[in-house]
Amino acid sequence: SYVLTQPPSVSVAPGKTARITCGGNNIGSKSVHWYQQKPGQAPVLVMHYDNDRPSGIPERFSGSNSGNTATLTISGGEGGDEADYYCQVWDGSTDHVVFGGGTKLTVL
Amino acid sequence: EVQLLESGGGLIQPGGSLRLSCAASGFTFSTFAMTWVRQAPGKGLEWVSSISNIGDSTHYGDSVKGRFTISRDNSKNTVYLQMNSLRAEDTAVYYCAKMAWDIILIIPYGQLDYWGQGTRVTVSS
Repeated sequence: SYVLTQPPSVSVAPGKTARITCGGNNIGSKSVHWYQQKPGQAPVLVMHYDNDRPSGIPERFSGSNSGNTATLTISGGEGGDEADYYCQVWDGSTDHVVFGGGTKLTVL
Repeated sequence: EVQLLESGGGLIQPGGSLRLSCAASGFTFSTFAMTWVRQAPGKGLEWVSSISNIGDSTHYGDSVKGRFTISRDNSKNTVYLQMNSLRAEDTAVYYCAKMAWDIILIIPYGQLDYWGQGTRVTVSS
């Protein structure tokens, strides 16, 4: 089955840039979606199709996807960005939704 | 405004059954696939099951295949998850999510663009 690998945690200083990676075999050939989940809340879609922001998501959020790594980039980190972030793809070979293990972003 | 409201969660003994429901509003329900995702306490998101927009195709995660059944009633704008032979490891918050169409692959299984607030299932004796 297809596996997505994320670092368990990423830290960023306020105002700096955070990069959260999502590794998968030839993930560049797939569409990657990203979700933000704050404590006690449902996940929210913050990036789809690698680098397309849904309506209402700040321009500080951007994405890329190439080779074996997709990346969610958050510029000008703020305290409100502290959350768990999950990448997700559709694995057409098994018809499965696949999530990465999640990355806890800390702004300190 | 899209709304997804899950119900049916609760405390159930191991081996028991439970049916979750997700009532949808604010969009043309029969046009979109639906998905159940769960999150065990302190853990990450785990995909459980998806169903196509007209219900003719269903998909399951390995940990629930053969025990859980997803279905939908497009006349009631509701998707269901029948959970049988429940185990302690099924304890989680269960989220219902709407799937957008994948505009590249032209299949119903795109991003999860709207989520409900979840319903908690606890399997314990």
